[in-house]
Amino acid sequence: ETGVTQSPTHLIKTRGQQVTLRCSSQSGHNTVSWYQQALGQGPQFIFQYYREEENGRGNFPPRFSGLQFPNYSSELNVNALELDDSALYLCASSLPANEQYFGPGTRLTVT
Amino acid sequence: AQSVTQPDIHITVSEGASLELRCNYSYGATPYLFWYVQSPGQGLQLLLKYFSGDTLVQGIKGFEAEFKRSQSSFNLRKPSVHWSDAAEYFCAVGALRNEKLTFGTGTRLTIIP
Repeated sequence: ETGVTQSPTHLIKTRGQQVTLRCSSQSGHNTVSWYQQALGQGPQFIFQYYREEENGRGNFPPRFSGLQFPNYSSELNVNALELDDSALYLCASSLPANEQYFGPGTRLTVT
Repeated sequence: AQSVTQPDIHITVSEGASLELRCNYSYGATPYLFWYVQSPGQGLQLLLKYFSGDTLVQGIKGFEAEFKRSQSSFNLRKPSVHWSDAAEYFCAVGALRNEKLTFGTGTRLTIIP
């Protein structure tokens, strides 16, 4: 059974650019959640997708958007990057009414 | 609104000694509680969870946690730590089992010989 995978591992972008991060959920998991973890902090919930629909959103601006595909993989898109967007972005997948399993994360650096 | 407090930013323990990491939560209804561990530069690994039932839950790597509703706490314990336990530990609370998680700020564990 393959766990949650994320790509790319690391990414460097310039302020104002756009970025797309990808996540493949664990086999059979139909729910994907995205979190942002700034250095020295706990993860902060961005949003969750269930069966291709957004199913909850945290306190993040609209320039953070996402998609979930029929195979339950997911993308996180961030437009107009700001320096404060530099963080580790974590994806987690789960089954309904079950715990979340996290991927290794994508380290985004905005310069 | 739900919140989690981990009062200890950094704890240092000798190898072989016992460990307790504190976690206090705030949530209006029955919480679902989790402990995750994160090694440097890595994602989060689930150590254990509390959904209902027995308030003492066992997890992986010899860890256990006790849910105390009266104290709004969910402290993590291990009777004897190993050097490989050095990592960052996060407590988290959710309203449902797979709804958004609210994390604490983490406790960094250092193990000394």
